[in-house]
Amino acid sequence: DIQMTQSPSTLSASVGDRVTITCRASQSISNRLAWYQQKPGKAPKLLIYKASSLESGVPSRFSGSGSGTEFTLTISSLQPDDFATYYCQQYNSLWTFGQGTKVEIK
Amino acid sequence: EMQLVESGGGLVQPGGSLRLSCAASGFTFSSHEMNWVRQAPGKGLEWVSYISGGGDTIYYADSVKGRFTISRDNAKNSLYLQMNSLRAEDTAVYYCARVYLQYFDPWGQGTLVTVSS
Repeated sequence: DIQMTQSPSTLSASVGDRVTITCRASQSISNRLAWYQQKPGKAPKLLIYKASSLESGVPSRFSGSGSGTEFTLTISSLQPDDFATYYCQQYNSLWTFGQGTKVEIK
Repeated sequence: EMQLVESGGGLVQPGGSLRLSCAASGFTFSSHEMNWVRQAPGKGLEWVSYISGGGDTIYYADSVKGRFTISRDNAKNSLYLQMNSLRAEDTAVYYCARVYLQYFDPWGQGTLVTVSS
């Protein structure tokens, strides 16, 4: 089974900050990685697929990069609506999620 | 607009059974693979089960194998999850999600399953 490890688990930041979340896979997954945003009481929402492709309608301040085993999600300028929990997901072999990164207000 | 609506959650005793449903609309249901994903209270996302468009290929997470059964009725645009021998650790919000190019989009709003005596 492929394990996904996100860091950090919690991130405190201010509006306007540049934020980076890292996701590592236990083996190479090429670029078969997606990022989701989840707000309390809501379903996850797709942000990024194929490691770096932005889902339609997602603001351009979100970007993804990486391949193989190391990936990052970057928010270039954090907005109030971005305080949420973010999950990476590999889809190279079935599906596995990272444990999540909560972005909270500093 | 694509929509997935789960139902069937509730309180059940340990060892009991429950059947979840997911009603799909806004897309050609039979053409898409589907999944169930769950989230225990305050925890992360856990993939549970997959079914192909025709229902002939099925996968389960080890944590539910032998206890849960995924199925679909394409004539009714519906996905199901039969959950037997439920345990306290199965307590979670259960989401159905469409597979789109291998990732999940969209997701339903979720239905809460609580296993407790």
